[in-house]
Amino acid sequence: GAVVSQHPSWVICKSGTSVKIECRSLDFQATTMFWYRQFPKQSLMLMATSNEGSKATYEQGVEKDKFLINHASLTLSTLTVTSAHPEDSSFYICSARDGTDNTEAFFGQGTRLTVV
Amino acid sequence: KQEVTQIPAALSVPEGENLVLNCSFTDSAIYNLQWFRQDPGKGLTSLLLIQSSQREQTSGRLNASLDKSSGRSTLYIAASQPGDSATYLCALCNQAGTALIFGKGTTLSVSS
Repeated sequence: GAVVSQHPSWVICKSGTSVKIECRSLDFQATTMFWYRQFPKQSLMLMATSNEGSKATYEQGVEKDKFLINHASLTLSTLTVTSAHPEDSSFYICSARDGTDNTEAFFGQGTRLTVV
Repeated sequence: KQEVTQIPAALSVPEGENLVLNCSFTDSAIYNLQWFRQDPGKGLTSLLLIQSSQREQTSGRLNASLDKSSGRSTLYIAASQPGDSATYLCALCNQAGTALIFGKGTTLSVSS
């Protein structure tokens, strides 16, 4: 199957700093990528849909100014958590579909963010 | 609004047992449904994908079924092994190219 690479796998940062998470499709082009967040023992919740070359679409309740998404190329989307606070600590994971087979979704390894 | 429910939330079985994980959804107009495995602190591994026109898919010891009319999908695991211990997530999308909607998962523990 297609490969989605997410980096970093885990990060610890101080409250008030910003953290950037990268999501790359390694062997296919993805015009659309999705960013999810997962709190402990909870399901994955969609945060936003990242569209190559245009603005991301955010889900209700997700602050677009806090969670900046950039999808500058067909293989890379980034999520920046700005002015992170302890309540932003979570597991963030991205997903993409192979543009030639717009069915199966592939996921990155996820990023464990801890804000102290 | 589509909702996905997985029952049970947790399941413990001895090695060798056959088991069934259940997933239900409220809106039968789905595009496809996927089953994933998630190990603690890790990302998602896709297990099986069922298109809306299909009724089941098989891969090794895994078999997933889909009954859209009743809003149900099941994941059957044959001859369970300790290595099968993980959280199994059911997810679906309502339209082509849209994001997946996830259930909360079933955490499976297989003892040797």
